[in-house]
Amino acid sequence: SYVLAQPPSVSVAPGQTARITCGGDNIGSKSVHWYQQKPGQAPVLVVYDDRGRPSGIPERFSGSNSGNTATLTISRVEAGDEADYCCQVWDGSSDHVVFGGGTKLTVL
Amino acid sequence: EVQLVESGGGLVQPGGSLRLSCAASGFTFSNYWMHWVRQAPGKGLVWVSRINNDGSRTNYADSVKGRFTISRDNAKNTVYLQMNSLRAEDTAVYHCARVSVPTAPLDHWGQGTLVTVSS
Repeated sequence: SYVLAQPPSVSVAPGQTARITCGGDNIGSKSVHWYQQKPGQAPVLVVYDDRGRPSGIPERFSGSNSGNTATLTISRVEAGDEADYCCQVWDGSSDHVVFGGGTKLTVL
Repeated sequence: EVQLVESGGGLVQPGGSLRLSCAASGFTFSNYWMHWVRQAPGKGLVWVSRINNDGSRTNYADSVKGRFTISRDNAKNTVYLQMNSLRAEDTAVYHCARVSVPTAPLDHWGQGTLVTVSS
């Protein structure tokens, strides 16, 4: 089955740029979606189809995807961005949805 | 406004059963595929099951195949998850979410309902 690997944690100071990676075999050939989840809340879609941004999501959130790595980039990080971030793809070979293990973003 | 509201969670003994419901509103339910995703305490999101818009196609994670059954009633705008032979490792918050086509993102999620499997 297809596996997505994320670092457990990323730390960044306010105003700096956070980059959260999502690794998978030839993930560049798939559409990657990213979710933000704060404690006790439902996940919120922040990036879709590698680099699309849903209505209401700040331009500070962006994505890229190439080769074996997809990346969520959060520019000018704010305290309110502290959350868990999770990547997701659809694996066509198994017809299953696959989530990464999630990355906890800490704003120092 | 799109709303997804789960219900039916609770405490159940190992080997027991529960049926979760997810009531949808604010959109044309029959146009969307629906998913169940779970999250064990302190852990990440794990996909559980999916049903297509008319209920004719279903998929399951290997960990629940043969024990869980997803279904939907488009007249009631509701998707269900029947969970049988429950195990301690099924303990989690269960979220429902919608998607327009299989490759699309899960663009709206419910808050979830907690299922605890314990004796």
